[in-house]
Amino acid sequence: NAGVTQTPKFQVLKTGQSMTLQCAQDMNHNSMYWYRQDPGMGLRLIYYSASEGTTDKGEVPNGYNVSRLNKREFSLRLESAAPSQTSVYFCASSPVHYGYTFGSGTRLTVV
Amino acid sequence: AQTVTQSQPEMSVQEAETVTLSCTYDTSESDYYLFWYKQPPSRQMILVIRQEAYKQQNATENRFSVNFQKAAKSFSLKISDSQLGDAAMYFCAYRRFDMRFGAGTRLTVKP
Repeated sequence: NAGVTQTPKFQVLKTGQSMTLQCAQDMNHNSMYWYRQDPGMGLRLIYYSASEGTTDKGEVPNGYNVSRLNKREFSLRLESAAPSQTSVYFCASSPVHYGYTFGSGTRLTVV
Repeated sequence: AQTVTQSQPEMSVQEAETVTLSCTYDTSESDYYLFWYKQPPSRQMILVIRQEAYKQQNATENRFSVNFQKAAKSFSLKISDSQLGDAAMYFCAYRRFDMRFGAGTRLTVKP
């Protein structure tokens, strides 16, 4: 099925560990996004990539890095995980001015 | 920065009845897009309805319709003939380039 594929679906990290969340889309969209979802706060934009080769900070970029590997793939890296990064992470892609197609999310717990 | 406000953290409706979820937003732009997303317990983000700001006609999708008041910067979602499967978190979102979300409204449907 066409769409956005995120891995892993669940992850538990210890404080200070690093990890990379993977995201791939097969809809030939130029734009890709990473959001985090916390209770009572909706979804907040971490980073986005308007096109292959470009990335920009969103509302809450601190503690994260991203890589737009090619048009299909957009990864999110936590270099040194902190408990404040416990959240549900969503990757999304879209054409301009349309709604996003979201991945199924990653529930990350940092202990 | 654009902000999206959903003033109703929780709403409840009787099955088969109608419910309206509220959303207001703040922007100085005249050209933008508004969305409602549904998030059931599965965590998947599902696009419910989309509205272009330049269109005066309110968008409709089957039992879902919006009341878009551009001057008041209001974008409410009406769900008619509510069904048990409509129970979910609903997020209002504003998009000019990237998408910004409200904090969400949890809708409960009573049988």
